[in-house]
Amino acid sequence: KQEVTQIPAALSVPEGENLVLNCSFTDSAIYNLQWFRQDPGKGLTSLLLIQSSQREQTSGRLNASLDKSSGRSTLYIAASQPGDSATYLCAVNSGNTPLVFGKGTRLSVIA
Amino acid sequence: DVKVTQSSRYLVKRTGEKVFLECVQDMDHENMFWYRQDPGLGLRLIYFSYDVKMKEKGDIPEGYSVSREKKERFSLILESASTNQTSMYLCASSPSGAAYEQYFGPGTRLTVT
Repeated sequence: KQEVTQIPAALSVPEGENLVLNCSFTDSAIYNLQWFRQDPGKGLTSLLLIQSSQREQTSGRLNASLDKSSGRSTLYIAASQPGDSATYLCAVNSGNTPLVFGKGTRLSVIA
Repeated sequence: DVKVTQSSRYLVKRTGEKVFLECVQDMDHENMFWYRQDPGLGLRLIYFSYDVKMKEKGDIPEGYSVSREKKERFSLILESASTNQTSMYLCASSPSGAAYEQYFGPGTRLTVT
């Protein structure tokens, strides 16, 4: 059974710092991995989707990488801003089953 | 842009009431999902549907049922609401196929008193 882990559960950084969020999964037979952002009391917003054949995806200051063989993905945020404060979740798609989610990393960027 | 809408942002119901949570998507997606989210427990899948009139149990279906009479609409039903069903409920949809991207609605914060 696929399990997804995100460490750390919470992270606090000063504004302007570059940071990395981690996501690991137990079964490397995946189709894709998706990173989401969630603001308090709101739904999830899709940030990046990486297909299994890809190594990375970029959107603005965000870069997500995928190493299927080692069961890891990272979300890199460059030059962090207070507006980046949110919970970030990763989710793995193993095929004809629903996504499996990690519990998220709660990020606080301090001005 | 894909749009997933939920009927209410906030809802307060009494114990024992029958509660309907509605979700509508406008992108002709085959797949629709209902989750609940609680602090420390993360997202948990309640029910999902891969087509009209089809439904599959997720990880925590007890106390819930669903209805999908039209492709764009997926309803979550709490037959007799209980206080332990107080939670954030999130609906999502995605196209069919293995390489799908999933889109979420804004969520409904349900309080059962």
